[in-house]
Amino acid sequence: DSGVTQTPKHLITATGQRVTLRCSPRSGDLSVYWYQQSLDQGLQFLIQYYNGEERAKGNILERFSAQQFPDLHSELNLSSLELGDSALYFCASSARLAGESDTQYFGPGTRLTVL
Amino acid sequence: AQSVAQPEDQVNVAEGNPLTVKCTYSVSGNPYLFWYVQYPNRGLQFLLKYITGDNLVKGSYGFEAEFNKSQTSFHLKKPSALVSDSALYFCAVRDGSGGSYIPTFGRGTSLIVHP
Repeated sequence: DSGVTQTPKHLITATGQRVTLRCSPRSGDLSVYWYQQSLDQGLQFLIQYYNGEERAKGNILERFSAQQFPDLHSELNLSSLELGDSALYFCASSARLAGESDTQYFGPGTRLTVL
Repeated sequence: AQSVAQPEDQVNVAEGNPLTVKCTYSVSGNPYLFWYVQYPNRGLQFLLKYITGDNLVKGSYGFEAEFNKSQTSFHLKKPSALVSDSALYFCAVRDGSGGSYIPTFGRGTSLIVHP
């Protein structure tokens, strides 16, 4: 168990809908990362937050947004969902923004199915 | 820019035999290299990392990896494979000299250990 929790584990919804995925980082970790994993695209970095502020953006669609709250948990919001958004969404956390030996620890993921 | 290649989609090995999962990387500065393992329907678990120092890095579950700067490789190895090692393995790299502190992941290699 990495100490990173994600809810829900599974989510089934319809096209055009909006969903929110939640992540709680390991105790003491300030940095949260969101990834999308699909069969054809592999593991894609979406966005990173550090202590409440957005710090890095990857291949995140404009329909997607995220935030990190004062208690350091993070939420990923996906709107106007399309079939192609079906994937596993992972959250990871690390202790600091960047460091010599900083390591990301991953949560169990949320499996999103868009019908 | 940074990138990582895992040239084999799948590696098959008999239980008790040594295993190698290959990874090559490209990065502008000093490479920070990571291996993760993903079991079915689970998140990525950290196995080991190379930051500096000894080229042979030992990690969890009896795995080790050898950093080879001249060949820009970081192959994952284990002397004696177990059926329970069957999983998806990801190599990741990030630039330790600055630049992006978001690691880039390979597409993964499926390791199948036959009884």
